[in-house]
Amino acid sequence: SAVISQKPSRDICQRGTSLTIQCQVDSQVTMMFWYRQQPGQSLTLIATANQGSEATYESGFVIDKFPISRPNLTFSTLTVSNMSPEDSSIYLCSVEDLRTSSYNEQFFGPGTRLTVL
Amino acid sequence: AQSVAQPEDQVNVAEGNPLTVKCTYSVSGNPYLFWYVQYPNRGLQFLLKYITGDNLVKGSYGFEAEFNKSQTSFHLKKPSALVSDSALYFCAVKTNAGKSTFGDGTTLTVKP
Repeated sequence: SAVISQKPSRDICQRGTSLTIQCQVDSQVTMMFWYRQQPGQSLTLIATANQGSEATYESGFVIDKFPISRPNLTFSTLTVSNMSPEDSSIYLCSVEDLRTSSYNEQFFGPGTRLTVL
Repeated sequence: AQSVAQPEDQVNVAEGNPLTVKCTYSVSGNPYLFWYVQYPNRGLQFLLKYITGDNLVKGSYGFEAEFNKSQTSFHLKKPSALVSDSALYFCAVKTNAGKSTFGDGTTLTVKP
């Protein structure tokens, strides 16, 4: 299994500002994902973070709003840019290691709870 | 396209009684099915998965799930519920094409 940490665990931000969330994994993994979750609700995939290349964004999410970096196989960042109250949510980092199987489970970080005022 | 349905937003059971959390799926090709649990104020944890083989799979904390291809279902079960099982449960499906699709989640409440 993989152990994932996220920083910060929570933050309260003013509208118009940006926040960068860090995700650190204790082992090298092939796939890293960023999700958004409203408390008690389902997960919405924002993007797949690709090592050494641009992230792959899902419909409704764009790079200018959610720039993502992945400089190596254990680390990624998600930036929420020009924030508005609608961006208030829990942001989850998730990983999946495909080196041993194409059907491995995902592991999730503890989440970053963001409140935008 | 692939999809997952969890038809019950909430399931309430008494401690000691059996529990079932329902999940149905739709995919093209062979499905790979997962259950995850999210305890309050915590991240999601993997419970169990079905890839191939025996239709009954066993996972963490005494949970099991039965894959039923004809009914396209993968219901989560436990013979005797504990209060500590109260959490939000997600079913997910993927194919060998990659990304997982998650259901909307079912809140399980186990009452003493």
